[in-house]
Amino acid sequence: AQSVSQHNHHVILSEAASLELGCNYSYGGTVNLFWYVQYPGQHLQLLLKYFSGDPLVKGIKGFEAEFIKSKFSFNLRKPSVQWSDTAEYFCAVRAGSSNTGKLIFGQGTTLQVKP
Amino acid sequence: GAGVSQSPRYKVAKRGQDVALRCDPISGHVSLFWYQQALGQGPEFLTYFQNEAQLDKSGLPSDRFFAERPEGSVSTLKIQRTQQEDSAVYLCASSFAAATYEQYFGPGTRLTVT
Repeated sequence: AQSVSQHNHHVILSEAASLELGCNYSYGGTVNLFWYVQYPGQHLQLLLKYFSGDPLVKGIKGFEAEFIKSKFSFNLRKPSVQWSDTAEYFCAVRAGSSNTGKLIFGQGTTLQVKP
Repeated sequence: GAGVSQSPRYKVAKRGQDVALRCDPISGHVSLFWYQQALGQGPEFLTYFQNEAQLDKSGLPSDRFFAERPEGSVSTLKIQRTQQEDSAVYLCASSFAAATYEQYFGPGTRLTVT
């Protein structure tokens, strides 16, 4: 069965610090990968996605993620975080062969950015 | 344009009551998903519709859970004889097509069973 593991459950950073959130998945075939963000009081929003091609993908608000197939990883990065990045971040995977499109989510990482 | 909407936003039910949760997807979106998100966890897949057809219900935790989308637009998730373990946020998502497009999530319905 597919699964997604996010190693950091709660991260606290100061503004301007760099961010890297880990995400590993278990699935042997082709995958689509996603990072979603949930700001306080808001619904889940897509940050970025990887389907194919360049393994380094850029998303909104300065976020990027790198797909490393050999490591089954899709880590999220941002060079300099802002207070407004305080949110919960979810990594998700979808089997590329899926005809239902269901997403398997990690348990999430809560990011707290101190001003 | 309007996003995915869900109602009610909050629902408190006494154990044993039946509840119905509604999802209005983005207009024109063929695919509709329901997820359950327990406190401190990521969303977990419940079921998937393509138009009015329920193509995957592998995530429904028991036969107390039932979902429908009779006209291929609005969907209802019904939970019969609610139990305390059903307390969670129920998320609805829609997409233009299942396999190749991103899913847009609604705000969720927070169900508390007392």
